[in-house]
Amino acid sequence: DTAVSQTPKYLVTQMGNDKSIKCEQNLGHDTMYWYKQDSKKFLKIMFSYNNKELIINETVPNRFSPKSPDKAHLNLHINSLELGDSAVYFCASSQAGSYNSPLHFGNGTRLTVT
Amino acid sequence: KNEVEQSPQNLTAQEGEFITINCSYSVGISALHWLQQHPGGGIVSLFMLSSGKKKHGRLIATINIQEKHSSLHITASHPRDSAVYICAVYSGGSNYKLTFGKGTLLTVNP
Repeated sequence: DTAVSQTPKYLVTQMGNDKSIKCEQNLGHDTMYWYKQDSKKFLKIMFSYNNKELIINETVPNRFSPKSPDKAHLNLHINSLELGDSAVYFCASSQAGSYNSPLHFGNGTRLTVT
Repeated sequence: KNEVEQSPQNLTAQEGEFITINCSYSVGISALHWLQQHPGGGIVSLFMLSSGKKKHGRLIATINIQEKHSSLHITASHPRDSAVYICAVYSGGSNYKLTFGKGTLLTVNP
């Protein structure tokens, strides 16, 4: 009965490849997020979707494309992977944005680009 | 300069000690979150507060909106409290954007 699940947990791939990370939440939340945690453990928002609609799109290369087929899923597709994309990516969800409800995080996907 | 500053960056304590982690922010906010990241990498939301004080077990979070400052206290610390504690602020608007501090690495020795 995992609340926010993301797959895969580990992803090792070569430069130039295209990969996807999947995220699903079963909490009935209407807002989902993708965060990137760099090697210094600093978390930064990448995208936020509310009811399948893109709300936040931070300064992220357009090689990163989120897809939300329904409000329970927010997948992240990355084209032409680069070395600098190596990081841990966290999916999260909350009800009605993070203002008045806690965030629930997935366990993270450690992406290593070689 | 990051909009959210945490101190200390690293903290080592002996089991049983009272712990305080501080968070200062430079923007007006609607809410502040405290998160805990375990050594295994998972992130858990501890508190979300916009005023006053909240308590959960041995953890206490306070916020002073006028001074733009929040503290996370751990009473009777235990080795299982060893983790990174992250402060994040929500500055309002409809974009649901959180700005994170760089985290405080807490190590509690037995």
